[in-house]
Amino acid sequence: KNEVEQSPQNLTAQEGEFITINCSYSVGISALHWLQQHPGGGIVSLFMLSSGKKKHGRLIATINIQEKHSSLHITASHPRDSAVYICAVYSNYQLIWGAGTKLIIKP
Amino acid sequence: ETGVTQSPTHLIKTRGQQVTLRCSSQSGHNTVSWYQQALGQGPQFIFQYYREEENGRGNFPPRFSGLQFPNYSSELNVNALELDDSALYLCASTISAQNTGELFFGEGSRLTVL
Repeated sequence: KNEVEQSPQNLTAQEGEFITINCSYSVGISALHWLQQHPGGGIVSLFMLSSGKKKHGRLIATINIQEKHSSLHITASHPRDSAVYICAVYSNYQLIWGAGTKLIIKP
Repeated sequence: ETGVTQSPTHLIKTRGQQVTLRCSSQSGHNTVSWYQQALGQGPQFIFQYYREEENGRGNFPPRFSGLQFPNYSSELNVNALELDDSALYLCASTISAQNTGELFFGEGSRLTVL
């Protein structure tokens, strides 16, 4: 079993839909990162969480430390949100990555 | 624009050769980490440097080595290249050794080993 599990693996939705991507982890962490990777490789940091909830534009990230679970939500999704979304946790001086969720938003 | 630059962006090597990849971080970012991302897979942690010392390492053999310099640049060296080393190599920098700050990624160096 992987230390960081994401679901779903792939997600296709229509423009405007509300999107939720889930992340569960099994190790002790000091922080959880949500990252976005576009085709070609560039990775952008969306959020860093150690507790609670953060919002940036149409993106919302939450974390429940007790349940070892985090979610990334996208409201009013748009085709430009199409990317791979990766959950990564920082544990014992290393970043452990989830496998990513490939999101496609159709116009 | 993350302020992290990597070079070269693409390179081709043959099996057995050695390669050096470079990463230039933002000023003040004293933590840099390196990742290997094989095609179609998620990134795998190689190692992390904090103030020029390695303070974390993933499951990679010793032929993967690194350096971090006082000017916030760093290097990843791979000796005795193998075909399976073909991948995108990413570096990320942050201001915090605990990686509890925002991570800034370079665009990566795509290595092909023939």
